[in-house]
Amino acid sequence: EVQLVESGGGLVKPGGSLRLSCAASGFTFSDYYMNWVRQAPGKGLEWVSSISSSGAYIYYAPSVKGRFTISRDNAENSLYLQLNSLRAEDTSVYYCAKALRSYSSIYGLDVWGQGTTVTVSS
Amino acid sequence: DIQMTQSPSSLSASVGDRVTITCRASQNISNFLNWYRQKPGKAPKFLISAATSLQSGVPSRFSGSGSGTDFTLTISSLQPEDFATYFCQQSYTTPQTFGPGTNLEIK
Repeated sequence: EVQLVESGGGLVKPGGSLRLSCAASGFTFSDYYMNWVRQAPGKGLEWVSSISSSGAYIYYAPSVKGRFTISRDNAENSLYLQLNSLRAEDTSVYYCAKALRSYSSIYGLDVWGQGTTVTVSS
Repeated sequence: DIQMTQSPSSLSASVGDRVTITCRASQNISNFLNWYRQKPGKAPKFLISAATSLQSGVPSRFSGSGSGTDFTLTISSLQPEDFATYFCQQSYTTPQTFGPGTNLEIK
C-alpha cells in the first residue's frame, strides 16, 4: 500500500523553528517529485514547496522562500521540511504529497499523508 | 504567479443532481489542471489530472473538461459522499496554485 506519514508538528513561538518529516512506503520513493502543501484553519490549500526525485531541483512558494527548506533522503524514503523564522500566518496543517508520475511534477498529486499540525503562537 | 478562481464558491444540491464547478486561470495553462475533493478533517483526494484524466478508482460520474484558461468539473449524479469541498490546481508552473475551493452542500 502506498502511504505517506507526516510527523514533527507542534506548538512553536513566533520566530522559532520546526522540522517536519514525511515517511514514504509502498512505492519507489527515489523516482518521484515530492511536495509540501499546507492548509490554514478554515482556509484553502496552499502549495508550499516541491523537490525533484534526485533533489537537484527545488521550488518554493514566495510566502516561504528564504525561511523554509525542503530536502529528501532517498536511502531512508523520507521527505523533510525545515521551517525557520515562523510567523503566526504559518499556522496550518502541513501535508506531504507525491507527484502522480515519476520524474515529473506537472500531473498533480495522487497520494497525500494525513497531515501534521503546526501552530505558531506566543 | 498564476491566479486561480473558482465558481461558485458554494453550491447547494440534492442527491442525484448534476452539478458543474468552474475553474479559471489568470493565464494560459494548457491542460495542466487538476481537481481534488476534500472532506472535513481529511486530506484531499485526487480526482482528475490534466483536465480530463480520471484517476484510478474515481467513479465515472466525475468528468473534467477545458483547456487554456477555462475548466469545468462535472458530477453527473451526486452521491452522499460527494458533499465536500472541491479544489482545482494548476501544475503548469511553480508556484503551483490552488483555487479557493467550492463547498458543495446538501440542499
